[in-house]
Amino acid sequence: QSVLTQPPSVSGAPGQRVTISCTGSSSNIGAGYDVHWYQQLPGTAPKLLIYVNSNRPSGVPDRFSASKSGTSASLAITGLQAEDEADYYCQSYDSSLSGVAFGGGTKLTVL
Amino acid sequence: QVQLQESGPGLVKPSGTLSLTCAVSGGSISSSNYWSWVRQPPGKGLEWIGEIYHSGSTNYNPSLKSRVTMSVDKSKNQFSLTLSSVTATDTAFYYCARGKYSSNWFDSWGQGTLVTVSS
Repeated sequence: QSVLTQPPSVSGAPGQRVTISCTGSSSNIGAGYDVHWYQQLPGTAPKLLIYVNSNRPSGVPDRFSASKSGTSASLAITGLQAEDEADYYCQSYDSSLSGVAFGGGTKLTVL
Repeated sequence: QVQLQESGPGLVKPSGTLSLTCAVSGGSISSSNYWSWVRQPPGKGLEWIGEIYHSGSTNYNPSLKSRVTMSVDKSKNQFSLTLSSVTATDTAFYYCARGKYSSNWFDSWGQGTLVTVSS
């Protein structure tokens, strides 16, 4: 049972825009802790996609963006491409766990 | 560009101890980063196991704390994980990762290694 809640799956057609939500609580996102996002392609290790709520590491396309508000955060992917089909995870710090917390992950299917 | 590589037995017997090592290349383990272990049961989500700083300071997931030990070997530029009293529920892909700050984002990951707990 993850302290950060993500939808199990989302889908979209090529070229469309999709969003993935990450809902937390007052012990994590709502307490002001930063949210980070990872992309995990099939059979590979997670890759950092967004750090500190909305920052993209070098090499990540600007089709990926993220925001945070209140006790939630969201990842948006525009101009959906087949190569975006992957699992996406949000991550934050949780004070009740005194450590790192991951969302349960969202599987993105490109139709 | 730092690279991380996990190594260790792929099969551990129930009630035994899981031991993994993460070799760091392209950077120093004594840099101002935190070094973590994250695991992922096949087909499931990510779980943070804990982190260690080069000074030896550690922070463990409370749910695993009683069974986890992490250590650093500066001479070999690597860090290690031991998980005791394993059961089938500890079967997972184990990843080592570099954290920019304590309990913060992970900017580099190893490729992962599958550890199966079975007799």
